Amino acid sequence: QQQVKQSPQSLIVQKGGISIINCAYENTAFDYFPWYQQFPGKGPALLIAIRPDVSEKKEGRFTISFNKSAKQFSLHIMDSQPGDSATYFCAASSLNYGGSQGNLIFGKGTKLSVKP
Amino acid sequence: ETGVTQTPRHLVMGMTNKKSLKCEQHLGHNAMYWYKQSAKKPLELMFVYNFKEQTENNSVPSRFSPECPNSSHLFLHLHTLQPEDSALYLCASSQVVSADYGYTFGSGTRLTVV
Repeated sequence: QQQVKQSPQSLIVQKGGISIINCAYENTAFDYFPWYQQFPGKGPALLIAIRPDVSEKKEGRFTISFNKSAKQFSLHIMDSQPGDSATYFCAASSLNYGGSQGNLIFGKGTKLSVKP
Repeated sequence: ETGVTQTPRHLVMGMTNKKSLKCEQHLGHNAMYWYKQSAKKPLELMFVYNFKEQTENNSVPSRFSPECPNSSHLFLHLHTLQPEDSALYLCASSQVVSADYGYTFGSGTRLTVV
């Protein structure tokens, strides 16, 4: 129940296309859903995050769509660029519970390659 | 530079060796974390420290021993490791122990156990 399932494992998109990465969870106590971006040789970095009180959050070319009833959320990268090539991790935590449940649970990651 | 520095970047050690990983953060954060990153697996939380006190040990084998002498420094002492312990070990920090403050990760130590 603590898992966050992420798909696809890898994704190849043409420059200018839309990249879509999906995540699903079971624990209804999760109330914070961030996405982290990791470039080769670097640690993950926070990209964008959403709380369940909204269905969508947009920051530049990056959008999170959230479906509370389906317990799913996704990352959309519009106008994908070669510089977006990285591994993307979704994550979830239960902020309201705190303690160990407040820790981030990560998905397995999606390796995105944007072809020029 | 991310503000979280990990050394060494690469480490090869035998199963009978003792080594230590070091993490230093220059962000004034009060929480620090150790994560293990293995290929095709989710990032695994190992330890959490809040104001130098360990608040989480995620069922990590005793061959991994953390140390947090102050809020800016975190160590992971390694001894009698197994080949399956080979992975990227990531240190992270946050303002407080709360995911919504965002974790700042270091670039990691790539550990190979031979």
